Amino acid sequence: EVQLVESGGGLVQPGGSLRLSCAASGFTFNNYAMSWVRQAPGKGLEYVSTITGSGGATYYADSVKGRFTISRDNSKNTMSLQMNSLRAEDTAVYYCAKDSRGYGDFLDFDYWGQGTLVTVSS
Amino acid sequence: SYELTQSPSVSVSPGQTASITCSGDKLGEKYVCWYQQKPGQSPVVVIYQDTKRPSGIPERFSGSNSGNTATLTISGTQTMDEADYYCQAWDSNTYVFGTGTKVAVL
Repeated sequence: EVQLVESGGGLVQPGGSLRLSCAASGFTFNNYAMSWVRQAPGKGLEYVSTITGSGGATYYADSVKGRFTISRDNSKNTMSLQMNSLRAEDTAVYYCAKDSRGYGDFLDFDYWGQGTLVTVSS
Repeated sequence: SYELTQSPSVSVSPGQTASITCSGDKLGEKYVCWYQQKPGQSPVVVIYQDTKRPSGIPERFSGSNSGNTATLTISGTQTMDEADYYCQAWDSNTYVFGTGTKVAVL
């Protein structure tokens, strides 16, 4: 059974930093691209960042480029999102999601974690 | 950047058919995935690759995609189908989500 478990959310002041983690199990982790998707309170889904299965390529939404860094450790089946220079508008539930395709391809998300809430406020 | 547009809300009576549309430039040339999200829960795939249903998703959910519009159809809508629905496509190294449609079963 595929499981994605996020952790690391919390309250942080504007300008601060936070590191989110996603622990994966139930599939061959290094075969699949992994992503972060967020959802602000009462709003829709917003793509944040993707990392390929090997970790060799990363992609970011314009809204977080230069502030967030995605990474993965295939030996531990974990993915992380380092978030710096946080703003009030980064307040959201952050979901870890697995791409359905694998092997260097991208399409859609077949599994999602339960999400972790990040609140940026003074 | 690529955009996907959905109508904000759809109302349907129990047992009737709900149609949710997703519009984007030449969307028919891309694969579309539909997610259902209930309050306080993570999104769940109900349709992927335009027309395919994951195991465990009821047959009343179906999808189509042609031209500039993809459609999610819920036939014989049940109260448990009340949720937000998002379309999604892949474009230029980005997962693009639709604006979301709230389905109310009244």
